Amino acid sequence: KAGVTQTPRYLIKTRGQQVTLSCSPISGHRSVSWYQQTPGQGLQFLFEYFSETQRNKGNFPGRFSGRQFSNSRSEMNVSTLELGDSALYLCASSLVAGPEEKLFFGSGTQLSVL
Amino acid sequence: AQSVTQLGSHVSVSEGALVLLRCNYSSSVPPYLFWYVQYPNQGLQLLLKYTSAATLVKGINGFEAEFKKSETSFHLTKPSAHMSDAAEYFCAVSDHKFSGGYNKLIFGAGTRLAVHP
Repeated sequence: KAGVTQTPRYLIKTRGQQVTLSCSPISGHRSVSWYQQTPGQGLQFLFEYFSETQRNKGNFPGRFSGRQFSNSRSEMNVSTLELGDSALYLCASSLVAGPEEKLFFGSGTQLSVL
Repeated sequence: AQSVTQLGSHVSVSEGALVLLRCNYSSSVPPYLFWYVQYPNQGLQLLLKYTSAATLVKGINGFEAEFKKSETSFHLTKPSAHMSDAAEYFCAVSDHKFSGGYNKLIFGAGTRLAVHP
C-alpha cells in the first residue's frame, strides 16, 4: 500500500506569491490533516479535513486555506507569501478522525520564501 | 487546553546505553499521548501511543513508554541504543474534546537523539 504522497517535494517562491501544495492520503483514509514545521515554532497544526469538510483549524491567518476532494486528496494554499512562511509542510492521513488515531505522515513539502 | 513539554532538546548516548527521553503533559481531559520519530528528510512515524488501555506501552524498534498520571509524564525509554536510533523524537497529546472525534495533535518541541560509538 502506498504511503502518504506530498508534491512537490521542494518549492521556492518569492514574497507576495501564492502556492498550492498537494497531498494524496493512503488509500481508504478519509481524514487528512496539515502541519507546519519550523525550527522556531516546531510542529503546529494547520487544519484537518474529513469527508471534504474542514473539522478543525489551527491558529493561522486566513492566508492559509485548504480543501479536500471526494477522493480524499487534499490541497493547501498559502496566498501572499511572507518570509516567515518558509517551513516544512507535512500532511498526515488516518483511516477515521478520532483523538486516538494513528497518523501517517508524508515526507513533506519544503517551502522556501525569498 | 492541552500542552506538552519535552525536557532536553538534545540528548546524547553511547551505543548500547539506556535511552530516556522525557515528556510531561498538561491536559484537562484524560489524555491520548503519542511518541513520533522523525528521521532526516522524512515525515513522522508513530513509535507508540497511550489510549488508557495500559500504563506501560510498548512500541516499535524496542521503545516503550510509561504513563504516570501522578507525575503527568510519558517518558520514552529503550534499554539499549543503536546507531540507527539517531533521530528527532516528538511527544504529542491529542487536543480533543471528551465527545469529539477529530484529529489534532499538540507536539512538544522535540528532542534530538545522538548515538555515538
